[in-house]
Amino acid sequence: ILNVEQSPQSLHVQEGDSTNFTCSFPSSNFYALHWYRWETAKSPEALFVMTLNGDEKKKGRISATLNTKEGYSYLYIKGSQPEDSATYLCASRYNQGGKLIFGQGTELSVKP
Amino acid sequence: DVKVTQSSRYLVKRTGEKVFLECVQDMDHENMFWYRQDPGLGLRLIYFSYDVKMKEKGDIPEGYSVSREKKERFSLILESASTNQTSMYLCASSRTTDEQYFGPGTRLTVT
Repeated sequence: ILNVEQSPQSLHVQEGDSTNFTCSFPSSNFYALHWYRWETAKSPEALFVMTLNGDEKKKGRISATLNTKEGYSYLYIKGSQPEDSATYLCASRYNQGGKLIFGQGTELSVKP
Repeated sequence: DVKVTQSSRYLVKRTGEKVFLECVQDMDHENMFWYRQDPGLGLRLIYFSYDVKMKEKGDIPEGYSVSREKKERFSLILESASTNQTSMYLCASSRTTDEQYFGPGTRLTVT
């Protein structure tokens, strides 16, 4: 059974802090890694899709890196804002048509 | 603007009832998915469909069935609801291997 792990499970930071969290996944036969943001009462929203080892993606204050050899991805948020409060989900895919395997999520709370 | 809609945001049903959760997407996507999300667990795949009238079991199909009669609509059916099916249900769609677009979720409580 393929297992995707996210850490920490939850995180509480102050506005303006920078933060990061981890997604670990089995590296064998890896195809792609997806990051989603899920705000309360809204639909999960795609942030990044990453496929290549060493890939880095950026969207505003949020960025992500990927290491496919060792099987991990980091998501960074620079200068956290209250509107960044959400659950961040990662999911890995193991072939082109394969289903996504989701981690349990990291719940981020940013206090003003 | 892409859209995936689900028939209800909140639903309360009794044990033994037959429950239908409907999902509609307006993006002409081939693939559609049903997940459930429970505290401390990731999204777990119940069923998915790559085309009309096609369905594949996901990781936790027991107690569920699905129907895809039209490309835009994917229904999840709980034949006889049980309390352990109380959960948040999310529908998603995608075009081939692209990112998945999610609906807002249905929080189902079975009493």
